[in-house]
Amino acid sequence: DAGVIQSPRHEVTEMGQEVTLRCKPISGHDYLFWYRQTMMRGLELLIYFNNNVPIDDSGMPEDRFSAKMPNASFSTLKIQPSEPRDSAVYFCASSWRRNEQFFGPGTRLTVL
Amino acid sequence: QKEVEQNSGPLSVPEGAIASLNCTYSDRGSQSFFWYRQYSGKSPELIMSIYSNGDKEDGRFTAQLNKASQYVSLLIRDSQPSDSATYLCAVIGSGNTGKLIFGQGTTLQVKP
Repeated sequence: DAGVIQSPRHEVTEMGQEVTLRCKPISGHDYLFWYRQTMMRGLELLIYFNNNVPIDDSGMPEDRFSAKMPNASFSTLKIQPSEPRDSAVYFCASSWRRNEQFFGPGTRLTVL
Repeated sequence: QKEVEQNSGPLSVPEGAIASLNCTYSDRGSQSFFWYRQYSGKSPELIMSIYSNGDKEDGRFTAQLNKASQYVSLLIRDSQPSDSATYLCAVIGSGNTGKLIFGQGTTLQVKP
């Protein structure tokens, strides 16, 4: 069974541009999580969904960040406009019920 | 006080020794506890989960949970250089929302 799939794996963009990160969770999982990891702040939860519904977005840093989950097999995290301080690795993870979470390979975002 | 605390290390052990990684958490009602391993430049990988007091063994890994002391540990027996990584402790709090709270991680170095 394929694991969590994320795209792109690397993204380099210029300040002010829109960035869209994509995630396909493990089939059958009903929870989906978006994390951001930096050296300074470690691994931070941004938002999570249950059955495609956003449950907790308290970790979303600013209104520039938005996330959607239009169906059980796809989610996006969008940053508009992007800023250099958004540079980080963004992970998507999924789980069945409230059990173990499995992480995707991550997207390394660099905003110049 | 952070919700989940770990010593950042690095913890250095010789090959073949036992590595002991420790984690404390602040939410006394927490029910689910996890250890993730993260190699440099890679995503977190689940290696152990534990839900009840006591020890849980899986190969060279043993997770230990003491809810009264709010303490979780991970023992790695016969440490190998390939075990060199950052180990993240994660906890699901008393709300049982499925939301993981991560510690900052402990870097383990196993020297040949």
